[in-house]
Amino acid sequence: GAVVSQHPSRVICKSGTSVKIECRSLDFQATTMFWYRQFPKKSLMLMATSNEGSKATYEQGVEKDKFLINHASLTLSTLTVTSAHPEDSSFYICSARDRGGSNEKLFFGSGTQLSVL
Amino acid sequence: AQSVTQLGSHVSVSEGALVLLRCNYSSSVPPYLFWYVQYPNQGLQLLLKYTSAATLVKGINGFEAEFKKSETSFHLTKPSAHMSDAAEYFCAVSDQTGANNLFFGTGTRLTVIP
Repeated sequence: GAVVSQHPSRVICKSGTSVKIECRSLDFQATTMFWYRQFPKKSLMLMATSNEGSKATYEQGVEKDKFLINHASLTLSTLTVTSAHPEDSSFYICSARDRGGSNEKLFFGSGTQLSVL
Repeated sequence: AQSVTQLGSHVSVSEGALVLLRCNYSSSVPPYLFWYVQYPNQGLQLLLKYTSAATLVKGINGFEAEFKKSETSFHLTKPSAHMSDAAEYFCAVSDQTGANNLFFGTGTRLTVIP
């Protein structure tokens, strides 16, 4: 089946530094990728929708200058948390949708646990 | 607008007992409905999905769910719980165009008691 690889699985960084998370579709072309944030014991909150070759669409309340999303190719999207603060600590999950696919063909990465000290 | 409500943030069952995780949806358009499972520190894995074909959907690991339009429900069941079923389960809804995002419920943590 389709696989989405997310890296790193866990990262610890100092406050004020930037962290980049990668999301790769390994065996399909993902024209659309989604980035979610998950708080403990909470559901997934969509942060932004990333379309290959265009600017990401951010959900209301998500700072686009803080959470930079790049989707430069059909197999790779990156989320960069800039100037991270402890409140940015969370579990981040990406998902990728197969080209031409609906939400039936949406595949999730394994997530990244970000801890900001 | 679309949303799902998962009743019960935590469900405990004995090993071998019936598993029932509840999900009710709200949608102004015909929905697609999904159940995902999440193991600790992992992403989401699709268990099963309703996409307007059969109303009784069978998924992986012995799980199934029935779409009931009259009750706006899509409850997840499994006849006999295994220890390995212990995880967080999310119900999600989207429209049928595929153009829009999934909307997730708040999740139900399933504990299986030996």
